Amino acid sequence: DAGVIQSPRHEVTEMGQEVTLRCKPISGHDYLFWYRQTMMRGLELLIYFNNNVPIDDSGMPEDRFSAKMPNASFSTLKIQPSEPRDSAVYFCASSSNGDTDTQYFGPGTRLTVL
Amino acid sequence: GQNIDQPTEMTATEGAIVQINCTYQTSGFNGLFWYQQHAGEAPTFLSYNVLDGLEEKGRFSSFLSRSKGYSYLLLKELQMKDSASYLCAVTSTDSWGKLQFGAGTQVVVTP
Repeated sequence: DAGVIQSPRHEVTEMGQEVTLRCKPISGHDYLFWYRQTMMRGLELLIYFNNNVPIDDSGMPEDRFSAKMPNASFSTLKIQPSEPRDSAVYFCASSSNGDTDTQYFGPGTRLTVL
Repeated sequence: GQNIDQPTEMTATEGAIVQINCTYQTSGFNGLFWYQQHAGEAPTFLSYNVLDGLEEKGRFSSFLSRSKGYSYLLLKELQMKDSASYLCAVTSTDSWGKLQFGAGTQVVVTP
């Protein structure tokens, strides 16, 4: 299996622009997670889906952030408008229902907002 | 809610042993994970403990005491490539499938 796939790997944008991050989970996994990692705050869960349905979005910072999962093999995290404080590494992870919750992480997207 | 504590940094010599402690407070505790994260890379799964006791996997072992809310990760025969951040994470029956991560312990292995 190819593992969790994320794109782009790096994104540099200017404040106010829209940013879309993409994720393809491991085939057959029922859960998909979006995390953000910074030096100051560590690894934070933003939102997670089960069978394409958002279960918990309490970690989404504010209305500028939105996430969708239109099908079992694709999810997006969108930031609009982006701000410099959104600069971070964004990870997508997936896990299989019943697989002791082990999560497998994608390589991450390093976002820089100027 | 959940509160997870682990040391910020530990330094050890190549070939030595290092023990990384993790304490947690959570309702409905279900299990504890350890992940390894090298600089600039994604976290990767190391171990999972749900019952009390020691789980050994090669040079790495993980211990859990549910009654004490305590776990440790033991790294033996340290190698330079073990220099990384080690993240403790817990899962609970209150939030199936969701992991709460600690801040991570940066392990520095010196020659």
